[in-house]
Amino acid sequence: QVTLKESGPGILQPSQTLSLTCTFSGFSLSTYGMGVGWIRQPSGKGLEWLANIWWDDDKYYNPSLKNRLTISKDTSNNQAFLKITNVDTADTATYYCARIAPITIAATYYWYFDFWGPGTMVTVSS
Amino acid sequence: DIQMTQSPASLSASLEEIVTITCQPSQDIGNYLSWYQQKPGKSPQLLIHSATSLADGVPSRFSGSRSGTQYSLKINRLQVEDTGIYYCLQGYSAPYTFGAGTKLELK
Repeated sequence: QVTLKESGPGILQPSQTLSLTCTFSGFSLSTYGMGVGWIRQPSGKGLEWLANIWWDDDKYYNPSLKNRLTISKDTSNNQAFLKITNVDTADTATYYCARIAPITIAATYYWYFDFWGPGTMVTVSS
Repeated sequence: DIQMTQSPASLSASLEEIVTITCQPSQDIGNYLSWYQQKPGKSPQLLIHSATSLADGVPSRFSGSRSGTQYSLKINRLQVEDTGIYYCLQGYSAPYTFGAGTKLELK
């Protein structure tokens, strides 16, 4: 059974660094093709992809956050992490982590988010 | 960046009706398209991946298709539990982008 759960500080002040943890079970980030992604959603708004990390430590970031993102993983402890530096009120959102599931169809590798955590709310306020 | 134009933004339909939501990418995304359903206060749930493959446990009334460069999610025989917001996601090229969402309500 695959589960993921996000944890974070809840509230933080502008200019601080947001540190998020995704603790998961039911799969390993050392398994070929697996990965974890981070997605956020401001209240009442749509979904924004932030970053992905794959089993081989390959990483992809959303450049709209201007190099403020760092994604990492701890394979031994089944955790993935996301740091966002220099936060401001625009970073207030619910943050989700999700498992990246790979599939090969007709020799083409596809991926998608098949399991999501419940999300953690983050408020940036002075 | 690849833009995903999702339509309609909102939709009101009757029980048992057929509903179609579309996503038009700004460039070819080669079937790297997945669909998600989100209910209020909950995390998104995967419906369709690789444009046309039904995710495990998803009712067969949901289906995904591609026509040219446009991708569609179809719900046959709309049920009460199908209300929510639907999003498409392109996984072809980073930054990966979601459509703006379609809010589906019952008439």
